[in-house]
Amino acid sequence: KAGVTQTPRYLIKTRGQQVTLSCSPISGHRSVSWYQQTPGQGLQFLFEYFSETQRNKGNFPGRFSGRQFSNSRSEMNVSTLELGDSALYLCASSSSRGGEVNTEAFFGQGTRLTVV
Amino acid sequence: AQSVTQPDIHITVSEGASLELRCNYSYGATPYLFWYVQSPGQGLQLLLKYFSGDTLVQGIKGFEAEFKRSQSSFNLRKPSVHWSDAAEYFCAVGPMFSGGYNKLIFGAGTRLAVHP
Repeated sequence: KAGVTQTPRYLIKTRGQQVTLSCSPISGHRSVSWYQQTPGQGLQFLFEYFSETQRNKGNFPGRFSGRQFSNSRSEMNVSTLELGDSALYLCASSSSRGGEVNTEAFFGQGTRLTVV
Repeated sequence: AQSVTQPDIHITVSEGASLELRCNYSYGATPYLFWYVQSPGQGLQLLLKYFSGDTLVQGIKGFEAEFKRSQSSFNLRKPSVHWSDAAEYFCAVGPMFSGGYNKLIFGAGTRLAVHP
């Protein structure tokens, strides 16, 4: 079974540009969540989608947005990039609807975004 | 406020020595608890999780963790460390509601170095 796939793996953008990152979850998984990892702030939750609906949202500005498609693939978009947006962006997928035991979130390898 | 504290930023142990990584959490209710490991340039891999029941949980790679409600702790242990265990370890909590454990709060991480 293929794991969580994130594309691209590396990205360099200029300040002020926008960027779109993609995440393909494990087949059958309907929940996709996104995290930002930086040396200063650590791992921070961005948002979670389940069946094309945003179910949870972290404390990030509106420049960060996401969506999920009917095949559960998800994209996140960052507009008007700032230098501080440089980070490893991780996507995780899960089969859970919520509240079940014996499930887990599987993480992709991440997209390394550098803003110059 | 919900938070996870990993007091040790960096730990160095000798190969074959025992290991304990500390994790304390602050949460309004009993959370789901997790330990993840991250190798350089990689995503996160789940080592073990605690949802309910036996407070001593076994994970992969010979790791175990003990949930102590009275101390709000979930420390990770391994009796004998291997050089391949060198990585960064993250403790995380997630709420016990729909999709909760796809909205994780992570600690700052503990970087483990292993001396031969």
